[in-house]
Amino acid sequence: AQTVTQSQPEMSVQEAETVTLSCTYDTSENNYYLFWYKQPPSRQMILVIRQEAYKQQNATENRFSVNFQKAAKSFSLKISDSQLGDTAMYFCAFMKLNAGGTSYGKLTFGQGTILTVHP
Amino acid sequence: DGGITQSPKYLFRKEGQNVTLSCEQNLNHDAMYWYRQDPGQGLRLIYYSQIVNDFQKGDIAEGYSVSREKKESFPLTVTSAQKNPTAFYLCASSIRGLASFSYNEQFFGPGTRLTVL
Repeated sequence: AQTVTQSQPEMSVQEAETVTLSCTYDTSENNYYLFWYKQPPSRQMILVIRQEAYKQQNATENRFSVNFQKAAKSFSLKISDSQLGDTAMYFCAFMKLNAGGTSYGKLTFGQGTILTVHP
Repeated sequence: DGGITQSPKYLFRKEGQNVTLSCEQNLNHDAMYWYRQDPGQGLRLIYYSQIVNDFQKGDIAEGYSVSREKKESFPLTVTSAQKNPTAFYLCASSIRGLASFSYNEQFFGPGTRLTVL
């Protein structure tokens, strides 16, 4: 079974600054996806960024980027130029791929990190 | 507008009663999922369904039941056997992941907050 651990229950950052959220995971699988989801106060889950384990290049989406360290089983999220709208709970998640590379879409989530952006 | 709807937004239940949470999607997705969210524990998978008339247990299926009679609908029943049902419940859907190394994004509904009185 896979486990995902987010060791930072809460983080805060000043507007326009950079913040990094940590995530580690434990798996014996070689093929999988990793994700960061955002849940604002509205509680709507929003996909922020994803990383394929077979890709060495770190994923980026505008102000969001990841540092994927496969050997260390680490997957951190960096938010640059933080905005007030980034205030939310952030979840790291893992999806295993089957032997044929397909997926049943089962996500395993971490406990979440509450990020507050201060003006 | 395409999307996922969950109703009701807030639901109250007396202890010992069964209650059914609704999840409907008009995205033409094959796969649907139910997650439970508790404070400090993130989301946990209850049940999932890849096609109509088929579903599998997730990590915390005890005390819950589902049906998948229509592609658009995946209702979740919280039975009296669920010991601690007060939680936030999220439904999601995605295209069925059949292609190798493909990713099919899960789209989430707005959720239902269930409180047992």
